[in-house]
Amino acid sequence: GAVVSQHPSWVICKSGTSVKIECRSLDFQATTMFWYRQFPKQSLMLMATSNEGSKATYEQGVEKDKFLINHASLTLSTLTVTSAHPEDSSFYICSALSGNEQFFGPGTRLTVL
Amino acid sequence: RKEVEQDPGPFNVPEGATVAFNCTYSNSASQSFFWYRQDCRKEPKLLMSVYSSGNEDGRFTAQLNRASQYISLLIRDSKLSDSATYLCAVNLGNDYKLSFGAGTTVTVRA
Repeated sequence: GAVVSQHPSWVICKSGTSVKIECRSLDFQATTMFWYRQFPKQSLMLMATSNEGSKATYEQGVEKDKFLINHASLTLSTLTVTSAHPEDSSFYICSALSGNEQFFGPGTRLTVL
Repeated sequence: RKEVEQDPGPFNVPEGATVAFNCTYSNSASQSFFWYRQDCRKEPKLLMSVYSSGNEDGRFTAQLNRASQYISLLIRDSKLSDSATYLCAVNLGNDYKLSFGAGTTVTVRA
């Protein structure tokens, strides 16, 4: 099956700093990738759809200026959490679309102190 | 009302037992349905798609009831390795976006 990687797998940062998370499709090209966030014991919540070569589309309630998404190539999308605060601590998961199936990355656990 | 709702469980069952649980969705226009498995602190992995006619994959059987707007998953002959959280996901249209339930936790004991 298709493989998606994420980097880093976990990160701890101080409040007010920015954190960049990378999502790569390793053996296929993906014009569309998705970013999700999952709080403990809750469902995955879609944050935004990342489109190669164009602006990301954000779900209602997600601040586009706080969660910057760049999809500069067919195999890489990045999510930058700007000025992170403790409430941004969560499990961030990306997926890449291949055909009509989403393949998920292993996730990035962000802890903001 | 949430778009996708699941009984969180947990369902604690002995090895060899059958366990089944449902997932309800609110939008009648939903088009595609999936069951994912998520292990603790890991990403979800696709278990199976759910087709209108119902489908089976080994010990796993999925059903779709459009009239009552729910999908179900049945696991026969449970194994210890089936212990996980099972997420249902629903696609509302042609944009491939998925809405997930919060998951049903299954624990299979020896």
